[in-house]
Amino acid sequence: DAEITQSPRHKITETGRQVTLACHQTWNHNNMFWYRQDLGHGLRLIHYSYGVQDTNKGEVSDGYSVSRSNTEDLPLTLESAASSQTSVYFCASSERTSGTDTQYFGPGTRLTVL
Amino acid sequence: GDSVTQMEGPVTLSEEAFLTINCTYTATGYPSLFWYVQYPGEGLQLLLKATKADDKGSNKGFEATYRKETTSFHLEKGSVQVSDSAVYFCALITTDSWGKLQFGAGTQVVVTP
Repeated sequence: DAEITQSPRHKITETGRQVTLACHQTWNHNNMFWYRQDLGHGLRLIHYSYGVQDTNKGEVSDGYSVSRSNTEDLPLTLESAASSQTSVYFCASSERTSGTDTQYFGPGTRLTVL
Repeated sequence: GDSVTQMEGPVTLSEEAFLTINCTYTATGYPSLFWYVQYPGEGLQLLLKATKADDKGSNKGFEATYRKETTSFHLEKGSVQVSDSAVYFCALITTDSWGKLQFGAGTQVVVTP
């Protein structure tokens, strides 16, 4: 069965360190998304990609970067982790047909920045 | 811009009670509407969706009707179970947003035996 996986599931790091969260999907979807989930804010879009070599900034992109070198993977990098980036991070993917297609979510990565 | 407003939680119910979670939206384009559910410790799963006015999405006993005149997509279930305890998110996509979901803040539902 197709799926979307994230790793690690839990991560503790220190302020100022670079951190990379992995996202891998086997749906062969063109669209991939990164969200962060914080109490009272729902999910907020960090970065997204519509295909290989395409990346775009979302609502809360400061301090984050992504790269898309193949269809399956969209790693999220925190260049210099800050305590404000403590959150739960979700990756999602969708097909690119009508632009209103269902997104499928990974299980999430809980990141703590000390 | 596009936005989704849903009722604040937590909503606490007894088993077999009727559940309603209100969701209203504003959108510049013509949206498709979704309800996602997040069970404890898990990612989001699509619960149901509707893509045009008057469509009714349904799944696992949950229903929601796309009401363009009131810009609403309220989620209902006639008889909840303890296993329905979760956080429920209303969301929308428009053709202008190119696949980007706009989420509400989420509503936590707690069902007690």
